[in-house]
Amino acid sequence: LAKTTQPISMDSYEGQEVNITCSHNNIATNDYITWYQQFPSQGPRFIIQGYKTKVTNEVASLFIPADRKSSTLSLPRVSLSDTAVYYCPLGAGNKLTFGGGTRVLVKP
Amino acid sequence: EAQVTQNPRYLITVTGKKLTVTCSQNMNHEYMSWYRQDPGLGLRQIYYSMNVEVTDKGDVPEGYKVSRKEKRNFPLILESPSPNQTSLYFCASSRQGVNQPQHFGDGTRLSIL
Repeated sequence: LAKTTQPISMDSYEGQEVNITCSHNNIATNDYITWYQQFPSQGPRFIIQGYKTKVTNEVASLFIPADRKSSTLSLPRVSLSDTAVYYCPLGAGNKLTFGGGTRVLVKP
Repeated sequence: EAQVTQNPRYLITVTGKKLTVTCSQNMNHEYMSWYRQDPGLGLRQIYYSMNVEVTDKGDVPEGYKVSRKEKRNFPLILESPSPNQTSLYFCASSRQGVNQPQHFGDGTRLSIL
């Protein structure tokens, strides 16, 4: 069973950078690393995806080391609206397994 | 607008009364899947479908059925619902498989009394 490990929760303040690390020791060679954001009672929303090195889009950056056994989602200058749960699910064949996610609380 | 549509959004029903939750996507995606989300257990995949007429079990398939007769639709069927199936359900789709970004519906909250 594909397994990921993330911190359960993180607190931050508005304007700070938030970095969330996901451990995925048994990632398969052809697996991509994808991060999602979920607000209460809503479906997860795609944030960013990468295979190796660094990927950046308008909302986040994703850092992946050479061994690909972990990844770090970086949210620059968070606001109150970034309070959510963040997931880094992993594929296993054609299944997708979500871990418990990281609950990020942004304080004023 | 590209979207995944689930119906109903909310349902309260009784044990043993068959129900179907519909899921439809308008993006011509090949991969569709169903998840349930329970407090403390995160999202768990129930069933997935790689394409029309191709379905397979996820991690928690017991008590559920699915079908994929058309590319756009992937209904979730509870033949004899039980209280332990009270949960928040999400349907998702992607262009091809798990390595493409998944598009999720808004969720269906089921309460089985």
